[in-house]
Amino acid sequence: EDQVTQSPEALRLQEGESSSLNCSYTVSGLRGLFWYRQDPGKGPEFLFTLYSAGEEKEKERLKATLTKKESFLHITAPKPEDSATYLCAVRTHNNAGNMLTFGGGTRLMVKP
Amino acid sequence: KAGVTQTPRYLIKTRGQQVTLSCSPISGHRSVSWYQQTPGQGLQFLFEYFSETQRNKGNFPGRFSGRQFSNSRSEMNVSTLELGDSALYLCASTAQEITGELFFGEGSRLTVL
Repeated sequence: EDQVTQSPEALRLQEGESSSLNCSYTVSGLRGLFWYRQDPGKGPEFLFTLYSAGEEKEKERLKATLTKKESFLHITAPKPEDSATYLCAVRTHNNAGNMLTFGGGTRLMVKP
Repeated sequence: KAGVTQTPRYLIKTRGQQVTLSCSPISGHRSVSWYQQTPGQGLQFLFEYFSETQRNKGNFPGRFSGRQFSNSRSEMNVSTLELGDSALYLCASTAQEITGELFFGEGSRLTVL
């Protein structure tokens, strides 16, 4: 059974204090790892796709990386507007079509 | 370009009733997926439709069902509601046949009393 675990569950940062969120996975044949951002009362919003170990993607203050066992979402000099829940998800050989298995999420709070 | 639209946004039902939720995907998107989100279980996959065919079904009881129409709009139905069905039900669409880049609606929040 595919498993995705995110840590920490919650993270409080001061504005400008860089940190990393972790997504570890145990799956049968990874076909892609995806990061999403979810604001309260909204649906998740797609951020990044990573397919192979060593791959990196960047967008503004966010950088996602992938190894064979985990992915990191690095947040550099965060701002209060970066506060949200960050979700990672995987597509695997077990999942046909567009089915994703999500982790529990990390709730990020950035204080000014 | 309009996003994914879900109706109703909020609804309250009592145990034993049934409910139908609707999802209008982004124009041109043929894949529609449904997810249940709860504080305890997080986001869990319910089912996915592509061009009116169910391609995947998650580990939910048969009380949960869905369908997709020829215009790609989708509905999901939950019969004989239980307290544990209280959740945010999210619909997502994509134009791609195989992808993890999904566009989510804002969800339908169901409360079962």
